[in-house]
Amino acid sequence: GIQVEQSPPDLILQEGANSTLRCNFSDSVNNLQWFHQNPWGQLINLFYIPSGTKQNGRLSATTVATERYSLLYISSSQTTDSGVYFCAVGRGGTASKLTFGTGTRLQVTL
Amino acid sequence: DAGVIQSPRHEVTEMGQEVTLRCKPISGHNSLFWYRQTMMRGLELLIYFNNNVPIDDSGMPEDRFSAKMPNASFSTLKIQPSEPRDSAVYFCASSPPTSNQPQHFGDGTRLSIL
Repeated sequence: GIQVEQSPPDLILQEGANSTLRCNFSDSVNNLQWFHQNPWGQLINLFYIPSGTKQNGRLSATTVATERYSLLYISSSQTTDSGVYFCAVGRGGTASKLTFGTGTRLQVTL
Repeated sequence: DAGVIQSPRHEVTEMGQEVTLRCKPISGHNSLFWYRQTMMRGLELLIYFNNNVPIDDSGMPEDRFSAKMPNASFSTLKIQPSEPRDSAVYFCASSPPTSNQPQHFGDGTRLSIL
C-alpha cells in the first residue's frame, strides 16, 4: 500500500511564528487531504488538495503530485492552532480509502 | 447543514460485551467509511461502503468485527465479543458522489473496554 511520511513529528512554536509541515507519499494519488485534530479529538478538514495550491486565511497548502509531496503552511500561528496535523492520501477519487500519515504534533506557546 | 453524526460519543463497557457504534452520514453522500485511531497504529481504515454495498473490508481486524449499512442514512459497526485491545477512537466519514470533494469526518466514538 501507499506509504505516507510526515515531518517534523513534533513542532513547538511561539505565537506569531510561521511553519511548514511536509507530507511525502510513495505512489501517485488523486486524493490528498490535510486535517487538524484538535485537543478534543475532532478531525477538522483543512484542505482537499490532490494538486496545486490553495489558501484559507492563515493556512495554505501546496501539492506537487509529480514529485509526491505536499506542504502545509501556517502563518502567524495562534495557540488555537495547537494539535496534530494529518496528511491523508488515496487513489481512485473521493470514494476510496484514505491512508494517513503519523501526523505532526504542533504546540503554539504564548 | 448537519455533519456526520456518530453515537455514542463515549462508551465504556466490560470485556465480552457486545458494542454497537452508529453513524449517520451527510445527506446525499453515497460513500461511508469507518476508521479506527489507536496510539500504536494511528488512523486506519476498517471498511467502506459505496451505495450501501461494502467495497473494501480488508481493514476489519477479525471476525469479531462486523459492519452494516441497511440504508443510505445509517451504518453500524459492531464488536462481539469486545476485548480490551479494541479500545480506540472510531471515526465515521462520508463523501459525496461527485469528484473533487473531501471526506467529512464525524466527531468519533471513544471506546474503552475494561
